[in-house]
Amino acid sequence: AQSVAQPEDQVNVAEGNPLTVKCTYSVSGNPYLFWYVQYPNRGLQFLLKYITGDNLVKGSYGFEAEFNKSQTSFHLKKPSALVSDSALYFCAVRETNAGKSTFGDGTTLTVKP
Amino acid sequence: EAGVAQSPRYKIIEKRQSVAFWCNPISGHATLYWYQQILGQGPKLLIQFQNNGVVDDSQLPKDRFSAERLKGVDSTLKIQPAKLEDSAVYLCASSLDPATGYTFGSGTRLTVV
Repeated sequence: AQSVAQPEDQVNVAEGNPLTVKCTYSVSGNPYLFWYVQYPNRGLQFLLKYITGDNLVKGSYGFEAEFNKSQTSFHLKKPSALVSDSALYFCAVRETNAGKSTFGDGTTLTVKP
Repeated sequence: EAGVAQSPRYKIIEKRQSVAFWCNPISGHATLYWYQQILGQGPKLLIQFQNNGVVDDSQLPKDRFSAERLKGVDSTLKIQPAKLEDSAVYLCASSLDPATGYTFGSGTRLTVV
């Protein structure tokens, strides 16, 4: 069975500093990995995905994520945080050719001016 | 392109009453998902449709929840009778294929009192 862990409920960073939101996963085969963002009273929005290829993937709003197969991790990163990045972030995993994604419980990112 | 449409946005019902949610996915997206998101948790899959056939309903509480996707387009999710623990946001999502991220609707926030 596939699973995702987001070890931090909350991440606080100062505006302009780099940010990292952590995610580890467990699948029996090769994973598809995703990050989504949820703003208050809004649905989830797709940020980026890893399917295959380069371990560093770039997505929307300047975010990127690094796939590390040996550590089964897919951490979300941004070189310089903005106050507007404050939101709830979800990591998700899907086994290759499987239909459904399994989501983590989310990490609240707060960026302070 | 138009997004995933869901209605209603909010619903308050008493326990033991019934409720129905509606979803219209992105045109051409064969796969449709219903997720339940309880406050403080990540989305949990209830049911997955491929066109108008059910692919995965292993986590759907079938004694009270039902869903259908007639003609492979719109979908409805019903709860009858509702329990207090059904209070959650019900998210509909659609996708083109397993390698793409989901597009989520804004969700229906259900409160059972």
